Amino acid sequence: EADIYQTPRYLVIGTGKKITLECSQTMGHDKMYWYQQDPGMELHLIHYSYGVNSTEKGDLSSESTVSRIRTEHFPLTLESARPSHTSQYLCASSRTSGSYNEQFFGPGTRLTVL
Amino acid sequence: AQRVTQPEKLLSVFKGAPVELKCNYSYSGSPELFWYVQYSRQRLQLLLRHISRESIKGFTADLNKGETSFHLKKPFAQEEDSAMYYCASGDMGRRALTFGSGTRLQVQP
Repeated sequence: EADIYQTPRYLVIGTGKKITLECSQTMGHDKMYWYQQDPGMELHLIHYSYGVNSTEKGDLSSESTVSRIRTEHFPLTLESARPSHTSQYLCASSRTSGSYNEQFFGPGTRLTVL
Repeated sequence: AQRVTQPEKLLSVFKGAPVELKCNYSYSGSPELFWYVQYSRQRLQLLLRHISRESIKGFTADLNKGETSFHLKKPFAQEEDSAMYYCASGDMGRRALTFGSGTRLQVQP
């Protein structure tokens, strides 16, 4: 079934640890995105990718990094987690076609850094 | 830069009452406007897009370029409409959507 998967769904980790948030999609989409969302606040784009080996930083500055080695996979890495990284991270994807920019979202990863 | 404003954080209405969730955008070109919804414990999903001019779950939204608005309306709210609603804008070729801060709709019985 075509879907977007994010793991883990919840993560509680100590300061200084390296973490990778996984995102995979079986939608056949070429564009993928990472958003950061604090409770009750808007979504902020932190990374996006138009395709394999293409990654760009978003509107919100982030200490995280991303890679796009395979079309369906777009992991996000924090080399050294800090409490300020505590947030919800949403992965999304979309297809490049026509004028539509509809994005499909994964279930999110809620990260807590102690 | 594009900006999307949703002035109300919370909108509480009674079942059967009309609902209007406000959204204003700042973009001088031809934007694509969307409404996304997030029900409790579910992921963010598309509710409707302006280009389709469709009604989904009884909701409609009209793009008003003069007022740069894209308000979401429903004539008779249902309890199952309770959720977070996000307005978003984009344009052809832009890398991603710009989201508003969201409005929580509470429909009381």
